[in-house]
Amino acid sequence: EVKLLESGGGLVQPGGSLRLSCAVSGFTFSSYAMSWVRQAPGKGLEWVSAISGSGTNTYNGDSVKGRFTISRDNSKNTLYLQMNSLRAEDTAIYYCAKQVSGGGNSGYFDYWGQGTLVAVSS
Amino acid sequence: SYELTQPPSVSVSPGQTASITCSGDKLAHKYAFWYQQKPGQSPVVVIYQDNKRPSGIPERFSGSNSGNTATLTISGTQAMDEADYSCQAWDSNTVVFGGGTKLTVL
Repeated sequence: EVKLLESGGGLVQPGGSLRLSCAVSGFTFSSYAMSWVRQAPGKGLEWVSAISGSGTNTYNGDSVKGRFTISRDNSKNTLYLQMNSLRAEDTAIYYCAKQVSGGGNSGYFDYWGQGTLVAVSS
Repeated sequence: SYELTQPPSVSVSPGQTASITCSGDKLAHKYAFWYQQKPGQSPVVVIYQDNKRPSGIPERFSGSNSGNTATLTISGTQAMDEADYSCQAWDSNTVVFGGGTKLTVL
């Protein structure tokens, strides 16, 4: 059974940092690209970042470029999102999602975690 | 940047056919994917590569993609289909989601 479990969310002040983790099981982690997708309260889905199965290639949405960094540790079956210079508009539920491809820049999301809430406020 | 446009809401009577559109420049040149999200739950893919159904998704869900518009069609809509639906595509190594459509079954 495929499982994705996010952690690390919480309340942080504007300008602060946070690191999200996503522990996965039930599939060969290194064979698949992964993404972070967020959803602000009452809003639609917004893709944040993707990383190839090997970790070699990363892709980022315009709204987080230069502030967020996606990474993975295939030995620990864990995906990360380092979020710096956080803004109020980064407040959202952050989902990790498994992609059906390994390359990182194609395909769809066949499994999603339950999400972790990040709130940026003073 | 590339944009996908969906109607904010669609209403349908039980047993009728619901159609949800997703518009983007030359969208037919890309694959369209559709996700269903119920309140408090994570999204679930219902259509991939324009018109393919993952295992476990009922046959009443179908998709098409032509010109600038992809369409998700739900035939014989049931009350359990009431949810938010979002389309997705890739453009220049980035994922684009539509704004989402709230489907109301009444």
